[in-house]
Parts: sequence; C-alpha cells; structure tokens
Amino acid sequence: NAGVMQNPRHLVRRRGQEARLRCSPMKGHSHVYWYRQLPEEGLKFMVYLQKENIIDESGMPKERFSAEFPKEGPSILRIQQVVRGDSAAYFCASSNPGTSGSTDTQYFGPGTRLTVL
Amino acid sequence: AQSVTQLDSHVSVSEGTPVLLRCNYSSSYSPSLFWYVQHPNKGLQLLLKYTSAATLVKGINGFEAEFKKSETSFHLTKPSAHMSDAAEYFCVVSDRDFNKFYFGSGTKLNVKP
Repeated sequence: NAGVMQNPRHLVRRRGQEARLRCSPMKGHSHVYWYRQLPEEGLKFMVYLQKENIIDESGMPKERFSAEFPKEGPSILRIQQVVRGDSAAYFCASSNPGTSGSTDTQYFGPGTRLTVL
Repeated sequence: AQSVTQLDSHVSVSEGTPVLLRCNYSSSYSPSLFWYVQHPNKGLQLLLKYTSAATLVKGINGFEAEFKKSETSFHLTKPSAHMSDAAEYFCVVSDRDFNKFYFGSGTKLNVKP
C-alpha cells in the first residue's frame, strides 16, 4: 500500500514566482491536511480539506496561499508571489476517519522543501 | 485549547542506555496523543498513539509512552537506545475531531557510541 506521496521533494523559486506543491493521499483516504515546518520548529497546521471542500483553513496565511483537493487528482498547495519567509518544509498528511484502525491517525508524506532565493 | 510542551530541545544518551523524552500537554477535554519521529530530511513516522484506552502505550522500535492525566504528561521512553534512534521526536495532541494536530517544538535525540 503506497503511503502519502508528495512532489516535488525539493523546489527552488525566486521571489515573486509561484510555487505549486502536490500531495496524493494514501489509497482510500479522503482527508488531507497541510502543515508547514519552519527551520528549528515543529509543524504548524495550515489547512484541512476533504474532496472538493475546504473544511478548516484557520492556519493559512490570509494572502498568497491557497489549497484545493479536487474530485480527481492530488491536493495542491499553491503559493503565489513567494517571498523568502515562505522557505520551509511543507508536509501533507492524510486520514480516513471512519475506517477501523485509522479513525484518528494522520499519515505524513516525505514533505516538499521549498527554498526561495 | 490544545498545546504541547516538549521540555528538552536536545537529549544525548549513550548507546544501550535508557531514553526519556518528556512531553506535557494542555487540553480542555480527554486528548488523543501521539509521538512521531523524523529522521533528517525525511517525513514523519508514527511511533505510537494514545486514544483513551490503556494508559501505557507500546509503539514501534521498542518505544513506549505512559499517559498520566494527573501530571498532564505523555513521556516517551525506551529501555536501551540504538544508534538508529538518533532523530527528532515530536509529541502531538489532536483536537476533538482529530482534524488538527498540535505539534510540540521537537526533541533532537543524539545517541553516542
């Protein structure tokens, strides 16, 4: 059973460019979460999505950041007009509440490390 | 509100000696608690979780943790450290609906030969 997939693993952007980070949840999982990890810090919640719905985006910066989880395809975290402060590791997790043994556990992908020059 | 405090940012032990990584939590209800491990430039792997069943939880790789409500603690232990245990460890508390995870700041474990 493939785990959570994220790509790219490393992404370099210049200030002002756009960054698109992709996340494919574990097979059968319908809930996706995005977290950001700044250097020397723990992960901070950004957004929680189900298919075609944003459930909780209380951790998303108000501007430049958006997320989607379409009916088909991976979840996308999009950062427009990146700035140096956006440099971080972005982790995606998935879960499938309601399935025995995974009602409350989030399974994490390997992360995308974004560097803004 | 939920929060987690990991009391030590760095812990160093010798191989073969016990490991203790401390975690205290704050939660307005009975929490679910997790420990994850992150090896350098890797993703997070679930070590163990507590979800209101047995207070002593056994995880992978010989780790275990004990939920102590009176002390609001969920410390991670291992009887004998191995070199491969060197990594960063995160204590996590979830909200009521398990939609948000609240991470501690992490503890970096160094294992000396």
